This record gives sequence, structure tokens and C-alpha cells, in this order.
Amino acid sequence: DGGITQSPKYLFRKEGQNVTLSCEQNLNHDAMYWYRQDPGQGLRLIYYSQIVNDFQKGDIAEGYSVSREKKESFPLTVTSAQKNPTAFYLCATRVGLGLRLGYTFGSGTRLTVV
Amino acid sequence: AQSVTQPDIHITVSEGASLELRCNYSYGATPYLFWYVQSPGQGLQLLLKYFSGDTLVQGIKGFEAEFKRSQSSFNLRKPSVHWSDAAEYFCAVGERNTPLVFGKGTRLSVIA
Repeated sequence: DGGITQSPKYLFRKEGQNVTLSCEQNLNHDAMYWYRQDPGQGLRLIYYSQIVNDFQKGDIAEGYSVSREKKESFPLTVTSAQKNPTAFYLCATRVGLGLRLGYTFGSGTRLTVV
Repeated sequence: AQSVTQPDIHITVSEGASLELRCNYSYGATPYLFWYVQSPGQGLQLLLKYFSGDTLVQGIKGFEAEFKRSQSSFNLRKPSVHWSDAAEYFCAVGERNTPLVFGKGTRLSVIA
């Protein structure tokens, strides 16, 4: 089945450590996105990429980094510069335009920093 | 800049009662509008979407939404709520090549 795989589902890290969240898709979609979700805050955009080897900052990019070396993969690194990294992270892809426009979301990674 | 407002943080309805979740948006042109549902600890599932044409859109699970340009609204409705509808609901707005912007969500509780 085509879809998005986010791993791991739960991740624990000590404060000050960098951590990388995985997002892999086999949908052949060009655009990929990372959102952060906090209770009562909705989803906020961290980074997005429309094509391989290119990405743009979203609204809350500080303390995060990404790469897009392959179409299938868009890993997110949460660095020690991120002040409050504990959150639920969602990866998404986009395909099509107009009536064919659609987004697919992964099942998320819950990161807890202690 | 585009924005989405969901005025109700939490709504409680009785099983079998009707439901309306509000969504207002601020956007320059005619946007793409979406409603998603999320169960705890899960990703987002698309309920319905609107791009153009008929302003009343039918979705999955018996949901529908009406686009009202004059009010910049895209409210979600269901005539009879089931206990399994308890979840968090997100309204989102996008444009041709821009990322989705989400509202803060409305949590729906269903009581017997």
C-alpha cells in the first residue's frame, strides 16, 4: 500500500541532544511538509520541500533543520537550539492541483525531551 | 497573510443531535478549503474539501460543509452525531502552491 511512514512513533531524548525524525513516502509525491502540533495550537508549519534538493522555512523553523536528498525521504532534525521540542510531529505530502489537489498525512511521531 | 479561525475550542453534543463546527478564514483569493479529523495520537484524515463549484460539499462519515464567500466561512455539519465522532476537527486553507494553514482545532465530545 502507498503511504507515509513516520518512525519511530514515540521518541525520548535528553535535553541538549539532537534528534532526527524520519519521514518516508512511496506515493511518488513531489511536495513534502513537516508540521508541529501542540495542544490547543493546531498544526504549525516547520519546513516544506517542493522538489528534491530544495526546501523552505515555515512559520516556526528556528531550531530545526531538514534535508531532501531523495524524493521519498524528508527527515527532520530537532536541534538543541529548539527551546521546547516536546511535541507531536506530523509529516505530509501533496499531490496534484485544482480538483486533484490532495494531502496525505503520516501517523506522527511524539517526541519527548527530558 | 492567510489565517484560519475556529472559534470553538471544545464542543459537547448528545449522541443523535446535530452538529455544526465553525471555520472562518482570511485569504486573498478563492482558497482551497479542507476539513480534517484526528483521533488521539493519530494522523489526520480528510473529511472533505472544496475548490470551486457547488458550495455545499459532501464528505465521508455523513459530514457536509458549506462555503459562504460573503462570510468567509466553511462550516462543517452533521445531522446526527455518533459516539465515534468524538475527536478533534481541523479546518485548513491553502492555495495553489502554498502549504496548508490550519486552525487551532475544535475538540468534539459526545455524550449519551
